[in-house]
Amino acid sequence: DSGVTQTPKHLITATGQRVTLRCSPRSGDLSVYWYQQSLDQGLQFLIQYYNGEERAKGNILERFSAQQFPDLHSELNLSSLELGDSALYFCASSVDGVGTDTQYFGPGTRLTVL
Amino acid sequence: AQSVTQPDIHITVSEGASLELRCNYSYGATPYLFWYVQSPGQGLQLLLKYFSGDTLVQGIKGFEAEFKRSQSSFNLRKPSVHWSDAAEYFCAVGPGGSARQLTFGSGTQLTVLP
Repeated sequence: DSGVTQTPKHLITATGQRVTLRCSPRSGDLSVYWYQQSLDQGLQFLIQYYNGEERAKGNILERFSAQQFPDLHSELNLSSLELGDSALYFCASSVDGVGTDTQYFGPGTRLTVL
Repeated sequence: AQSVTQPDIHITVSEGASLELRCNYSYGATPYLFWYVQSPGQGLQLLLKYFSGDTLVQGIKGFEAEFKRSQSSFNLRKPSVHWSDAAEYFCAVGPGGSARQLTFGSGTQLTVLP
């Protein structure tokens, strides 16, 4: 158990819908990362937050957005869902997002878009 | 841009045999390198990491990896594989600055025969 929690574990929805994925980082970690794992794209970095501020952005679609709240939990919002958005979404956290700190991954949320 | 190549999609070894998983990276500066393991239905667990210093790093579960700058490689090894090592293994590279997004390889699926 990495200490990173993600809810829900599974999510099934329809095309065009909007969903919210939630992540609680390890106690004491200030930085949160979101990754998408799909069969065709592999594991891809989406976005990083540090203490509520966006720090880095990767291959995140405009239909997707994220935020980190004052209590440091983070949410990833996916809208106008398409079949191709079906994937495993991971959240990771690290102490301060710099230097040699390690990213610890949560168990993931499996999103299925029908 | 940074990239990681894991040339072996699938490797099969017998229990008790030695294992080497290959990883080649492309990165402009000194890379931060990681090996993660993903068991079915699980998140990613960090096996080991390299930031600097001794180029042979020890990790959990009896794994080790060697950083070879001249070959841009960071291969993962284990002298004697156990059935419980069957999983998917990911090599990743990341910057050392404040933007800590990881770039992952496509993964190597390990099957262990009894």
